[in-house]
Amino acid sequence: QKEVEQDPGPLSVPEGAIVSLNCTYSNSAFQYFMWYRQYSRKGPELLMYTYSSGNKEDGRFTAQVDKSSKYISLFIRDSQPSDSATYLCAMSSAIAGGTSYGKLTFGQGTILTVHP
Amino acid sequence: EAQVTQNPRYLITVTGKKLTVTCSQNMNHEYMSWYRQDPGLGLRQIYYSMNVEVTDKGDVPEGYKVSRKEKRNFPLILESPSPNQTSLYFCASSTSHRGVSNQPQHFGDGTRLSIL
Repeated sequence: QKEVEQDPGPLSVPEGAIVSLNCTYSNSAFQYFMWYRQYSRKGPELLMYTYSSGNKEDGRFTAQVDKSSKYISLFIRDSQPSDSATYLCAMSSAIAGGTSYGKLTFGQGTILTVHP
Repeated sequence: EAQVTQNPRYLITVTGKKLTVTCSQNMNHEYMSWYRQDPGLGLRQIYYSMNVEVTDKGDVPEGYKVSRKEKRNFPLILESPSPNQTSLYFCASSTSHRGVSNQPQHFGDGTRLSIL
C-alpha cells in the first residue's frame, strides 16, 4: 500500500466550476501537508501549505486537513482555464534526525483541465 | 531571480554510458534533493543533502550517485544508466532548520532522460 494515495483523475470541468482534489495517507507521523501545482514542462510549485488539521484559504483555493481520517483536500472555486495543470499532494513528517529530514512524500498527481 | 537550474533539460543516451545531470541553486539553501517522476507513481526521492559533504539515500537510490562539494551544486550521476532509469528528474532546494527541510521546496524545471 502506498503511503499517499491521490485520486488519479483526470478531471475535466467547465470554467467556473468548483473543483475538489483529494488524497488519503497512511503514515500517522505526517504533520505538514502541501499542494503543489505543476504546469506542463515545469517543475512543481507550492500552492498551499498547512500544518496539522484544519482549513486554510488563499483566494480561490482552500486546503483542508483531517488528520483523524488521514484525508486532505484542495478546493478550487470559480475555476479558470489557467488552473489547468497537474496537482500533487505532498506530505512530510519533518522529524529532525533519523531518516526523514523533511522528505516530501507525493501522491500520484491529478491532471485537471478547465475548459472555457 | 531565485531559481534552481538543471542541465541538460533533455537527454537521450544509451545503456551504460555514464552521465551527469547538474543542479545549481542561487538561494544559499542548505537542503537539496533529487526526485524522479514516473506516471502513476508521483515524485519519489532519490537522494538528498542537508549541507556540503552531507548526503543520504532517499526511497529509490539504486543506480544513482550524488555529491555535494559546494553549497550551490548537487549533481546527479548515473554511472551505468539502464532503461529503467528513463524518467523525468527534478532537483529541489530549501532552507532548513535543525536538520529538517523547510517549506517550500523550490523545484527546477526538470530533466527528461531517455536511456535506450
